[in-house]
Amino acid sequence: NAGVTQTPKFQVLKTGQSMTLQCAQDMNHEYMSWYRQDPGMGLRLIHYSVGAGITDQGEVPNGYNVSRSTTEDFPLRLLSAAPSQTSVYFCATRIGMDYGYTFGSGTRLTVV
Amino acid sequence: AQSVTQLDSHVSVSEGTPVLLRCNYSSSYSPSLFWYVQHPNKGLQLLLKYTSAATLVKGINGFEAEFKKSETSFHLTKPSAHMSDAAEYFCVVRIKAAGNKLTFGGGTRVLVKP
Repeated sequence: NAGVTQTPKFQVLKTGQSMTLQCAQDMNHEYMSWYRQDPGMGLRLIHYSVGAGITDQGEVPNGYNVSRSTTEDFPLRLLSAAPSQTSVYFCATRIGMDYGYTFGSGTRLTVV
Repeated sequence: AQSVTQLDSHVSVSEGTPVLLRCNYSSSYSPSLFWYVQHPNKGLQLLLKYTSAATLVKGINGFEAEFKKSETSFHLTKPSAHMSDAAEYFCVVRIKAAGNKLTFGGGTRVLVKP
């Protein structure tokens, strides 16, 4: 049981490049989400999904796309990276309303 | 809209002394509250949660927190700090009526001196 697996752990992109951050979970959690962490700002929600085929925007969705074709995977796409997207990205899942979240170990992204 | 304020961005304690991390929240609805810990270059780990049961919540690694509705606070404490407690701590609020969105405080970085 690996929990929540994020890949890659580190990535450097040039402005305008695209990439996909991967998130996979083996806990059969319906709820999955992406957060970005910036110094002094805690974590902010980018996008989330309550099940396969269902996604919705969080508080900072601009510049990011998501899809959820399976319960296990929830990739985050940057179509045209910008320096403002330099951050640490966390994928988080949840089994039910009254349970805590399980976080992946993060992807540290630098856009130059 | 809900918000979370962690009153100290940095806390420094000596090993063996008590730790207090302060958190205040603002919400029009009854909240669920969480404390998470993040060790360097790691993901977030749940320490404890309050979901409208007992107001004094015990978590892992000797931490506990008390929900005080009148003060809109959820402070985290530990009687005796250990070197392994050096990390960043996040207070988080979740409101069911607001779509279960998580709102994070800005974090408190704890330094433990030997």
